[in-house]
Amino acid sequence: SQQGEEDPQALSIQEGENATMNCSYKTSINNLQWYRQNSGRGLVHLILIRSNEREKHSGRLRVTLDTSKKSSSLLITASRAADTASYFCATDVQNQGGKLIFGQGTELSVKP
Amino acid sequence: KAGVTQTPRYLIKTRGQQVTLSCSPISGHRSVSWYQQTPGQGLQFLFEYFSETQRNKGNFPGRFSGRQFSNSRSEMNVSTLELGDSALYLCASSLDGADFGPQHFGDGTRLSIL
Repeated sequence: SQQGEEDPQALSIQEGENATMNCSYKTSINNLQWYRQNSGRGLVHLILIRSNEREKHSGRLRVTLDTSKKSSSLLITASRAADTASYFCATDVQNQGGKLIFGQGTELSVKP
Repeated sequence: KAGVTQTPRYLIKTRGQQVTLSCSPISGHRSVSWYQQTPGQGLQFLFEYFSETQRNKGNFPGRFSGRQFSNSRSEMNVSTLELGDSALYLCASSLDGADFGPQHFGDGTRLSIL
């Protein structure tokens, strides 16, 4: 079963704009991770935020985590055409070590 | 450092056949996980191995099995293939899954069932 629900399912923006994707989950987690997938390729890890952290930055990426609302958001600032991809959140669920549960993903299209 | 290597990249089989997919993790990584990705169900966890032991298993029928060798390489096997098994099968490795950190994914094996 899917742990994460992501919205929007699809997002289309212009280069230079910011893109925000949201993820909600159902059960207690150890950490939450964001991945990117280009068409036909494997997933690339972007950022990991632990359950005791509220915000994390990595380059143009900003991730927030609200464990009380069981939700996270990924912000990509100053988007580029190369950011076009699918983005997934994944949770490392407490007491279910050894696996990640993925959301359905957000398909981001950045137009030049 | 070489990334996660999955072979073959593409595979076409017919219903009822069986298939074996291979995954070579990043050198030094001892945890290997497998996922199935389909347009309808998304990414679903199959199983995870650590030091040749299956530590966790997803909700898939017994036709799906796997193993890990002493060099951490892993294989997954699907027997009696069904049309619904058509999917991208992804393998991921990490140093240690105790605190499940960043997973390094291969580019997957695209399995098509005719």
